[in-house]
This record gives sequence, structure tokens and C-alpha cells, in this order.
Amino acid sequence: KAGVTQTPRYLIKTRGQQVTLSCSPISGHRSVSWYQQTPGQGLQFLFEYFSETQRNKGNFPGRFSGRQFSNSRSEMNVSTLELGDSALYLCASSPTRIAETQYFGPGTRLLVL
Amino acid sequence: SQQGEEDPQALSIQEGENATMNCSYKTSINNLQWYRQNSGRGLVHLILIRSNEREKHSGRLRVTLDTSKKSSSLLITASRAADTASYFCATERQGGSEKLVFGKGMKLTVNP
Repeated sequence: KAGVTQTPRYLIKTRGQQVTLSCSPISGHRSVSWYQQTPGQGLQFLFEYFSETQRNKGNFPGRFSGRQFSNSRSEMNVSTLELGDSALYLCASSPTRIAETQYFGPGTRLLVL
Repeated sequence: SQQGEEDPQALSIQEGENATMNCSYKTSINNLQWYRQNSGRGLVHLILIRSNEREKHSGRLRVTLDTSKKSSSLLITASRAADTASYFCATERQGGSEKLVFGKGMKLTVNP
């Protein structure tokens, strides 16, 4: 089975712009979670989607949003980018919501200038 | 916010030696997991231990969990240069809204 794929792998944006990141889960996996990793804050949970519905959300401002499609692919969007949004954004999938093990993609590295 | 805290934050050992990493957490959990990350890439799941388990093994990995002390340890035996990576503990909190809460991570360097 192919693993979790994330596109693009690298992205450079300027402050005030918006960005959309994409995640394709492992085939058959229906739960997708997003995490932000920065040197200062570490790995932080952004949100979880299952059956096209956001099930949980971390402590992030409303500029961070996401969605999930019927094929379980997910996108996350960050509007009005700030310098502090520079990070590695990781997507993880699991077969169901109660599945414990998360399978992570390689991440999208976002640099905001 | 971080739930877990790995200790030590960095460890450098020689190939063949054992590496022990500790993780402490703050609230009641359903399970605790260890992940490895190579050079800022994606995380790889290593091992999971549930709150009603005390010890688990997987290959060269041994994880223990002490829920009374809210702590876990990961032992990597007979380390290899390929084990060089950052290691994170992550907890699934009871009643938590997050999927997983990660610690800050520990950098392990295994010198050939």
C-alpha cells in the first residue's frame, strides 16, 4: 500500500498570503489528522477529520481551517499568513477514529517571508 | 500544549550500546506511543502501550509504562547508526480533544 502523501513538499509564501496543503491518506483510511511542528512549540495537533466532518480541533486561530473530501483526501488552509506559521505541517491517517496508530506523511515545509 | 516531556533531551552513544529515553506526562491516558523522526521528515510509529499494560517489546525496543508515576521509558538495545533520529512520546489522553499530544522530543545520536 502506498503511504500517506502530502503535496507540496516545500512552499514559500509571504505574509498576508494564504496557502492550501493537501494530504492523501493510505487507501482505506478514513481518519485524517493534521499537526504543526515548529522548533519552539514542537508538535501540536491542529484538527482531525473523519467522514468529511471535523471531529476535533486544536488550539489554533480561525485562520487555520481544513476539510475532507468523500475519498478521504484532506486539505488544510491557512489564511493571512504570519511569520510564525512557518513550520512543518504533518498529516496522519488511520483506518478509523478509534484506531490508535497514526501513519504520518513526509510533511509540507512552509516558509513564510 | 505539550503533554509529555522526554528526558534526556539529547543523547549520544556508541553503536552497540543501549539507549534509554524517558517520558513523563500530566493527565490520564488511554495509551502512550513512541514515534521516530529522521531529519525533519514524517514520523514513524514505533510502539504503543495501553494504559492497562506495563511492558511491551518489539524487536530491539522495550517500552514500559508506570501510570502511577505518569511516566514511560523506551529502551533501544544494541543501537545502530541508523537509529540516529529524534524520538517522541505521544499520549492519547482520556477525554482529550486532541488525537495525540506529543512531547518535545529527544535527539539520539548513535556514533559508528
